[in-house]
Amino acid sequence: AQSVSQHNHHVILSEAASLELGCNYSYGGTVNLFWYVQYPGQHLQLLLKYFSGDPLVKGIKGFEAEFIKSKFSFNLRKPSVQWSDTAEYFCAVNAHSGGYQKVTFGTGTKLQVIP
Amino acid sequence: AAGVIQSPRHLIKEKRETATLKCYPIPRHDTVYWYQQGPGQDPQFLISFYEKMQSDKGSIPDRFSAQQFSDYHSELNMSSLELGDSALYFCASSPRAGSSYNEQFFGPGTRLTVL
Repeated sequence: AQSVSQHNHHVILSEAASLELGCNYSYGGTVNLFWYVQYPGQHLQLLLKYFSGDPLVKGIKGFEAEFIKSKFSFNLRKPSVQWSDTAEYFCAVNAHSGGYQKVTFGTGTKLQVIP
Repeated sequence: AAGVIQSPRHLIKEKRETATLKCYPIPRHDTVYWYQQGPGQDPQFLISFYEKMQSDKGSIPDRFSAQQFSDYHSELNMSSLELGDSALYFCASSPRAGSSYNEQFFGPGTRLTVL
């Protein structure tokens, strides 16, 4: 069964600081990888996704993530965070299995950006 | 662009009552997923449907059932509600083909409170 682990549960940064959120997954087969963001009181929104090709994926709002297959990792990065990035971030993996799919989420990382 | 619609957005029930949550996927999306997100928790996969057939099952309690109808909307039926069922219930939809294949689009969620 697939699983996802996010190393940081709560991160506090000052504006303009750089961000890196860790995500590791376990699954031996082909996976699609996602980062979702959930702003306070809102639903999940897709930040970026990796299906194949270039392992460095660029998403919305200046976020990017790098898929490192040998490390089973898909870390999220942003060079300079803003107060509006305060939210919870979920890494997710979608394993291909018999044509059906489900997404397994990590436990989430709460990011607090201090002005 | 059309998004996933969930109704109701908020629901308050008492213990042992029943509840029905509805999900209307994005047009031409034929796969629907249900997730439960408890307070401070990550989303937990409950169940999914493809072409009106159950395609995968996660941690859905036996007290819950779901189905997908001919117009692809889905309903999650919850009986004998317990306090622990209080959560945000997300529905997501995805297409089986095209550039968004395997990507799940989330609805705003239904916040269920059991008193």
